[in-house]
This record gives sequence, C-alpha cells and structure tokens, in this order.
Amino acid sequence: KNEVEQSPQNLTAQEGEFITINCSYSVGISALHWLQQHPGGGIVSLFMLSSGKKKHGRLIATINIQEKHSSLHITASHPRDSAVYICAVLNSGTYKYIFGTGTRLKVLA
Amino acid sequence: DAGVIQSPRHEVTEMGQEVTLRCKPISGHDYLFWYRQTMMRGLELLIYFNNNVPIDDSGMPEDRFSAKMPNASFSTLKIQPSEPRDSAVYFCASSFGQLSNYGYTFGSGTRLTVV
Repeated sequence: KNEVEQSPQNLTAQEGEFITINCSYSVGISALHWLQQHPGGGIVSLFMLSSGKKKHGRLIATINIQEKHSSLHITASHPRDSAVYICAVLNSGTYKYIFGTGTRLKVLA
Repeated sequence: DAGVIQSPRHEVTEMGQEVTLRCKPISGHDYLFWYRQTMMRGLELLIYFNNNVPIDDSGMPEDRFSAKMPNASFSTLKIQPSEPRDSAVYFCASSFGQLSNYGYTFGSGTRLTVV
C-alpha cells in the first residue's frame, strides 16, 4: 500500500461542476502540498497546508490531520483546470517527501 | 522576477556521456529542490538544498548523480556517465522557507533523452 494515495485517478467533468480530489496518507506529516501539472508539463504549486483550510480563487484545499486526509476542491470548473493534480506530503519523522501518483482531471466545455 | 530558470529545455545525449543540468532559483529563496519525473515512477525528489547546503540527497538514485549549489543563484545536477534509464524530465524548484505558505516555484523542466 502506498503511503500517499489519491482518488480518483482519473476524473472527467462538465464545465461548471464542483470537483473534489482526495489525498489520504498513512504517515505523520509536517505539511501537505498540492501541485498542478498542465498538459504542457509545467508544474505550479497550489497550496502548502499543515492544518485547516486555504482558498485561492476557485480552489479550496482542506486538511484533517487526525483523519490523515486532504481534499482539493474546484468550484465552477473550467476547461483550463484540466491538468494532473499531485498531492505530496512531508513525512514528519524522516523529513522526506512522498508523492501521490496524481489525479488526471479533464473538464469538458 | 523571471521565475526559476532551467537550462537546457531539452537535452539529447548518448549513453556514457556526461550531462549537466542547470538551475537559477528565484532571488531571495533559500530552498532549492531537484525533482525527476518519469512515466513509471511519477515525480520524485532527488535532493534539496537550504542556503546552498545539501540537506537530503537520499533521493539521488546512485553515485552517477551529483548536485552542487556553489552560490545562492545557481545549482547544477550532473549525471556521469548517463544511461538510457536516466531519460526523464528534471525539474528544479525554489522556495522561501521549506513550509512556505506560498509553496514552491517550479522551473519549466529539462527533458533529458539518453540514447
């Protein structure tokens, strides 16, 4: 079992839909990082979380430390949100980064 | 600021040759990360520096890989000798603080092909 698991692996949505991508982890962490990788390959850092919730535009990230779970929400999704979303955690014991395998999102117009 | 600058964007080299990838982080950032991405293994952290000092290089696959950061504005990742299995996209990222609320800024990556 992977230490960081994302679900779903693939997601297709219609423009305007509310989207949720989940990340579960099995280790103690210092922080959790959400990344976005566009079809062209470029990577953008979306959020770095250690507790609670953060919001940036239409993106909201939450984390529940007790349940070892984080969600990334996209409101009013748009085709330009189509990308791979990657969750990464910083293991608080080893201080090493562990990456999820990513969720491939496609938003249709 | 122009962001994190990586060079070259693409590199094709023959097996056995030395390859050097370069990264210029954002001015003022004190952390620099080198990542590798392949279809098989996804994104992996190879090594990271804090204030030019390597902190964790446990992700470096083997002795053929080495990374340096001689000053705050420049880092290199060297592979010698290169092998076809090193073919991947190599990303560099920098941040102000390891757990920065602003996250990391990634470069555009170097696509390495070893034939």
